[in-house]
Amino acid sequence: NAGVMQNPRHLVRRRGQEARLRCSPMKGHSHVYWYRQLPEEGLKFMVYLQKENIIDESGMPKERFSAEFPKEGPSILRIQQVVRGDSAAYFCASSPDAIGTDTQYFGPGTRLTVL
Amino acid sequence: QKEVEQDPGPLSVPEGAIVSLNCTYSNSAFQYFMWYRQYSRKGPELLMYTYSSGNKEDGRFTAQVDKSSKYISLFIRDSQPSDSATYLCAMNKGSTLGRLYFGRGTQLTVWP
Repeated sequence: NAGVMQNPRHLVRRRGQEARLRCSPMKGHSHVYWYRQLPEEGLKFMVYLQKENIIDESGMPKERFSAEFPKEGPSILRIQQVVRGDSAAYFCASSPDAIGTDTQYFGPGTRLTVL
Repeated sequence: QKEVEQDPGPLSVPEGAIVSLNCTYSNSAFQYFMWYRQYSRKGPELLMYTYSSGNKEDGRFTAQVDKSSKYISLFIRDSQPSDSATYLCAMNKGSTLGRLYFGRGTQLTVWP
């Protein structure tokens, strides 16, 4: 069973450009979470999605950031007009449907560098 | 005050030592507790996952939860250099679905 897949693994953008990060959950998982990790800090929750629905976006910055998880295809985290402060590792996690039987499994992350 | 507190270390121990890693939390709504291991520039890897107070053992790893004290621990017996990593505690409220709240992580080095 393949794990959570994220691409690209490394992404370099100049200030003002757009960044698109992709996440394919584990097979059988329909819940996707995005977290951000700044240097020397723990993981901070950003958004929780199910297919075609945003369940909790309380950790998302109000501007420039958006996320989607369409019926077909991977989940996308989109950052518009990137700034240097967006440089971080972005991790996606997925979990199965059944409550109480399992928890979140993480992908390898996308490391975003904003020049 | 952060909801989950974890001493970032660094912690350095000789091979074979018993390692104790700890987190405290302030919100009694937390019900599910996890420990993740993260190697440098890699994604977090689930080590242990517990629900109730008490101990859970898996090989050299033991997770302990004390809900009355809002305190969780991870013990590593017979530590190995390959255990050198950052250990993150995480927890969530009321369900295994929904956001995880992470500690800052403790950096562990096991030297031969």
